[in-house]
Amino acid sequence: NAGVTQTPKFRILKIGQSMTLQCTQDMNHNYMYWYRQDPGMGLKLIYYSVGAGITDKGEVPNGYNVSRSTTEDFPLRLELAAPSQTSVYFCASSYSGDGRDEKLFFGSGTQLSVL
Amino acid sequence: QKEVEQDPGPLSVPEGAIVSLNCTYSNSAFQYFMWYRQYSRKGPELLMYTYSSGNKEDGRFTAQVDKSSKYISLFIRDSQPSDSATYLCASTVTNAGKSTFGDGTTLTVKP
Repeated sequence: NAGVTQTPKFRILKIGQSMTLQCTQDMNHNYMYWYRQDPGMGLKLIYYSVGAGITDKGEVPNGYNVSRSTTEDFPLRLELAAPSQTSVYFCASSYSGDGRDEKLFFGSGTQLSVL
Repeated sequence: QKEVEQDPGPLSVPEGAIVSLNCTYSNSAFQYFMWYRQYSRKGPELLMYTYSSGNKEDGRFTAQVDKSSKYISLFIRDSQPSDSATYLCASTVTNAGKSTFGDGTTLTVKP
């Protein structure tokens, strides 16, 4: 029972490099989310998707891009990495966006350092 | 001012103690209130989910929401070393995925 799977677990980038953080879920969830968590801080929403082909910005989208070509996958792209993007990135999914019945499932995170 | 403020901690208690974790929020439109538990180097996992004001109990855990004072609490009875983790409160108007999170309180329960 995999749930939400993120790869890689750790990555070090040089300033200006690009990379894609992978996220896949096997629960047939419609909603998927990307968050970042800085040390000692809560989670901040980067981008989210309510279904294949539909994405929207969250609170901190600058410097990131996403796509959602399938229900299962929701990759996060970093272009021109900057030290300010050093953080732990979490992907999450839920079956619906209905607050009353919604439960978020999180992946185990990707720790990214930009040097 | 942050929309969700959480008591920063860290908190260290002996095994068996009652733990109280607290948050305040400023957005009157928030309707759903969550507590997540996050073990070191792991993703958060949903612990408690409350709609509007009131109490919700699940085993040793009780979540309490007072909308009149915009106060959110999580109580842990008979705390265990396995409860050692960071606890995040979160609130949202409609969609839990778009929640505003507190910064977390790190709890250590000593045997």
